[in-house]
Amino acid sequence: QKEVEQNSGPLSVPEGAIASLNCTYSDRGSQSFFWYRQYSGKSPELIMFIYSNGDKEDGRFTAQLNKASQYVSLLIRDSQPSDSATYLCAVVLNAGNNRKLIWGLGTSLAVNP
Amino acid sequence: DTEVTQTPKHLVMGMTNKKSLKCEQHMGHRAMYWYKQKAKKPPELMFVYSYEKLSINESVPSRFSPECPNSSLLNLHLHALQPEDSALYLCASSQLSQGRVNEKLFFGSGTQLSVL
Repeated sequence: QKEVEQNSGPLSVPEGAIASLNCTYSDRGSQSFFWYRQYSGKSPELIMFIYSNGDKEDGRFTAQLNKASQYVSLLIRDSQPSDSATYLCAVVLNAGNNRKLIWGLGTSLAVNP
Repeated sequence: DTEVTQTPKHLVMGMTNKKSLKCEQHMGHRAMYWYKQKAKKPPELMFVYSYEKLSINESVPSRFSPECPNSSLLNLHLHALQPEDSALYLCASSQLSQGRVNEKLFFGSGTQLSVL
């Protein structure tokens, strides 16, 4: 089982719809969860982070965390064509005294006008 | 200033060349990172510097040599690379929390490296 799993997509949604991106992780002890957005040919950009169970909202973005089920999701409301990008889920894996950021393979999102 | 600046943006080098990638940040971050990214793959950690000291080396071949001259600068020296080393090389920085790396990373725009 991969440590961080994402559906590679592409996920295609119409403009104005809600895009839902999901991520599951294997380490029950993980405490920190991040969503990075990467446009084609550009570098990753942090858009959301979440540490506690529940929802965290920032503008059109909502991150949802369920530690019991070991999943974290990202909702994008009122999707815009400019949201078309790859979304990378990253989870901190605790291994003894070491912390390591484990990346999913990313989900490609296409928002169609 | 919330930028991480990387130079050069593009680099083509032969397998016998020596070149260096440079990275600079002025956000006061005390952790700096080198990542390698291949097309359609996530970033792959290479090195982490904390307080200008190398804290993590992810078993990177010695043909890659990192250097952190001060808290704002990070270099990656390249020598005798192989064609499979062609990739996007990303520099990132972050704050340290209680001496531990904080995974809220700020990435530079990257150097697209081609090894012929």
